[in-house]
Amino acid sequence: GAGVSQTPSNKVTEKGKYVELRCDPISGHTALYWYRQSLGQGPEFLIYFQGTGAADDSGLPNDRFFAVRPEGSVSTLKIQRTERGDSAVYLCASSPWVGSPYNEQFFGPGTRLTVL
Amino acid sequence: SQQGEEDPQALSIQEGENATMNCSYKTSINNLQWYRQNSGRGLVHLILIRSNEREKHSGRLRVTLDTSKKSSSLLITASRAADTASYFCATDKAAGNKLTFGGGTRVLVKP
Repeated sequence: GAGVSQTPSNKVTEKGKYVELRCDPISGHTALYWYRQSLGQGPEFLIYFQGTGAADDSGLPNDRFFAVRPEGSVSTLKIQRTERGDSAVYLCASSPWVGSPYNEQFFGPGTRLTVL
Repeated sequence: SQQGEEDPQALSIQEGENATMNCSYKTSINNLQWYRQNSGRGLVHLILIRSNEREKHSGRLRVTLDTSKKSSSLLITASRAADTASYFCATDKAAGNKLTFGGGTRVLVKP
């Protein structure tokens, strides 16, 4: 596809349930990022991948959050035992290659997660 | 945590006027970028300025960077109703690293 895609666009779940959010980066982009955005705030970093490995996961709020990118393309963000405070828009971004001096990141439309 | 703050938090102007918003950050940076977001969904990259640059232009956009003051400004000239959006600055400490965003400026351009 032409841009970053994320599925689902909206997800409503109940407190305590498990959810998976998917990100398809732009083809050929080696770096993939996950951010979380609460209402009225700027995005906050969660984790980023170079290829298949997580290069920086310092933004994951706790061990209920986990992300994978097994083949270096599609990534899945997994949230266990969801809490109401997890409600937010989850944004995925990709960029061409980590060695570039520029760091323009291309964002997907986001997944709006609502935990009831 | 947010890297810095944006000022003002909200801005309302008439079509055709200029819109100026500012961003301050706390630590040394590699690049500073500005993004636009419509309706709380995906962000669109507008312009990137490197730490050794002082000013860049792109169409109706002008960005300045003052690393001694750890601040940047975004100017949108001759604004249009379609410029109504939230604008965020974002910094990184090294190429390929995570972006740290400000809280954003919500701009309303009235026709």
